[in-house]
Amino acid sequence: GQQVMQIPQYQHVQEGEDFTTYCNSSTTLSNIQWYKQRPGGHPVFLIQLVKSGEVKKQKRLTFQFGEAKKNSSLHITATQTTDVGTYFCALRKGAQKLVFGQGTRLTINP
Amino acid sequence: ETGVTQSPTHLIKTRGQQVTLRCSSQSGHNTVSWYQQALGQGPQFIFQYYREEENGRGNFPPRFSGLQFPNYSSELNVNALELDDSALYLCASSSGPTTGVVDNSPLHFGNGTRLTVT
Repeated sequence: GQQVMQIPQYQHVQEGEDFTTYCNSSTTLSNIQWYKQRPGGHPVFLIQLVKSGEVKKQKRLTFQFGEAKKNSSLHITATQTTDVGTYFCALRKGAQKLVFGQGTRLTINP
Repeated sequence: ETGVTQSPTHLIKTRGQQVTLRCSSQSGHNTVSWYQQALGQGPQFIFQYYREEENGRGNFPPRFSGLQFPNYSSELNVNALELDDSALYLCASSSGPTTGVVDNSPLHFGNGTRLTVT
């Protein structure tokens, strides 16, 4: 089963509204990766967070790694229709295995 | 730079049959992972190959097997197909571990093979 809890499972917003998805683990993480999968597409790597309390920005996307390295968030400011898709966090379990959360599916009303 | 390519894109098989899915990794990448993604779920790790050796495996039965070739391309074989094997099969390549044996490099996914078992 999944080692990480991702919430919410679904989020529907009006275009221009903000969106946040959260990823929570019961254990301390060495790092966390975020991926985006467009409908009918494949996951695309967005970013990797490594340091406690780290905050990284990509245009309207802000990624945060918790101080205890047990949780992470992705925040999108002023959503656009191009943001539609499912956002996954993924964490390393063991040396090779990357475990994905269930994802948060974002839909947007234009 | 050539991305990850998978073939075929779609496949329909009957329960009990065998299937082989193929993947060409991104140039410069020596590690290939395979994932199964059921509808509405996150990708589930099947196994990973590094320099032609399997070096990690998820919770999948032995009828899921694989190969990696000297050019780092890979195959996923599934024997005795079951209805629950219907899913999107994703191949991902990465540049492999840079610190010890832990691979922290991001995954580059192919478009996947949609397998339907009837």
